[in-house]
Formats: sequence, C-alpha cells, structure tokens
Amino acid sequence: AQSVTQLGSHVSVSEGALVLLRCNYSSSVPPYLFWYVQYPNQGLQLLLKYTTGATLVKGINGFEAEFKKSETSFHLTKPSAHMSDAAEYFCAVSATDMRFGAGTRLTVKP
Amino acid sequence: DVKVTQSSRYLVKRTGEKVFLECVQDMDHENMFWYRQDPGLGLRLIYFSYDVKMKEKGDIPEGYSVSREKKERFSLILESASTNQTSMYLCASSLGGMNTEAFFGQGTRLTVV
Repeated sequence: AQSVTQLGSHVSVSEGALVLLRCNYSSSVPPYLFWYVQYPNQGLQLLLKYTTGATLVKGINGFEAEFKKSETSFHLTKPSAHMSDAAEYFCAVSATDMRFGAGTRLTVKP
Repeated sequence: DVKVTQSSRYLVKRTGEKVFLECVQDMDHENMFWYRQDPGLGLRLIYFSYDVKMKEKGDIPEGYSVSREKKERFSLILESASTNQTSMYLCASSLGGMNTEAFFGQGTRLTVV
C-alpha cells in the first residue's frame, strides 16, 4: 500500500521568500508522485507530477519538486512567494489508486 | 479541457435520508474516484472505479455505496445520512494507469442536520 505524509499543516512565508512544502512517501512499488493546489472553494488542480526520468520536475506558476528516492521525499519549492500562491497544497502518490496527504496551508504575508 | 461536473455545490439533508451525489466527466476517462475532504485529514478515498460496473473500496467505504452504469457517470450514495457524513465531497477522474493525473470537480459541500 502507498501513502504520503506532509510535514507541517500550515506554512507561513513573506512575499518574495522561499517556499518549501515537505512531502515524504511510502510505496511498495516505484511511485508516481503529484502535487496539487486547491484555492478556496475550488477543486484541486495539478501543479506537477513525477513519473520516471528526470528527478527535478518543473510545474506551473514557478513551482518545482525534486524526487529523492534515498530520502523517500518529494518536496515542493518556489524561489519567491507571491500573494497569489496562498492556497492549500496536497501531495499524492499513485499506484492502483491515488492517495493524498493531509495538506499544507500556505499563507503569504505582504 | 477535461471537465468533471458535480451536480450540486451545496446540499443540506436530514439524518436518515438517502442521498445521491452525481459526477459526470466528459473525457472518456477510465478511472473515477470519490473522496471526502475534512480539515486536517486531507482527502480520503471512499471508492473508486476503473471501469463501468467495477468498483473498489477505498479507505472509508462504510456508510457509502457507488454506482457506475455508464463510463462518464459515477454516483456516490449515502444509504442513510448521518451527521458525521457532513463534509466536502470531491469527485475525480483519470485516464487510466498509475502515472496519469486526476482531474477534479468543484466539490459538493454536504451538511446533514
């Protein structure tokens, strides 16, 4: 069975600061990993995904994530936070189905 | 663009009622999912379906059932609604295979009183 753990239910950064949202996974098979974003009162939309190949994955809105097998991690980063990045972020792992973490709410302070 | 449409954004139902949540996708996706979203718990999988008339239990199937009579439609049924089923329900679909992303509907916020 597969699962993900997101470290930190709430992260607060200043505008222009680095964003780092942490995700660790557990999977009995090579994982497919995803980050999704949810804006208030909306469904989830895909930020980026790792399937195979390059371990540094670039997504939309300037986000990227690095797959580290040795650390079983898939942390999400963005060099410079923008006010519009305030949202909830979910890490997910896919095998026969898709399982999500508990989410991290990102607050961006002016 | 893939569109996943949930029939209601907000629903209020009484305890003991039978409740139907409907979801339709327009991209001929094989897989469809129902999740429940609660603060601090993220998304928990209730049921998923990988083909018409096929279904698999997720992590929290108790008190729910599903129906997939047509490929594009996946219904979630609360047989006898209870207050602890008050939640946000999210439907999703994916093309099939482990490396394909899920596309989500806008969600249905269900309140059981």
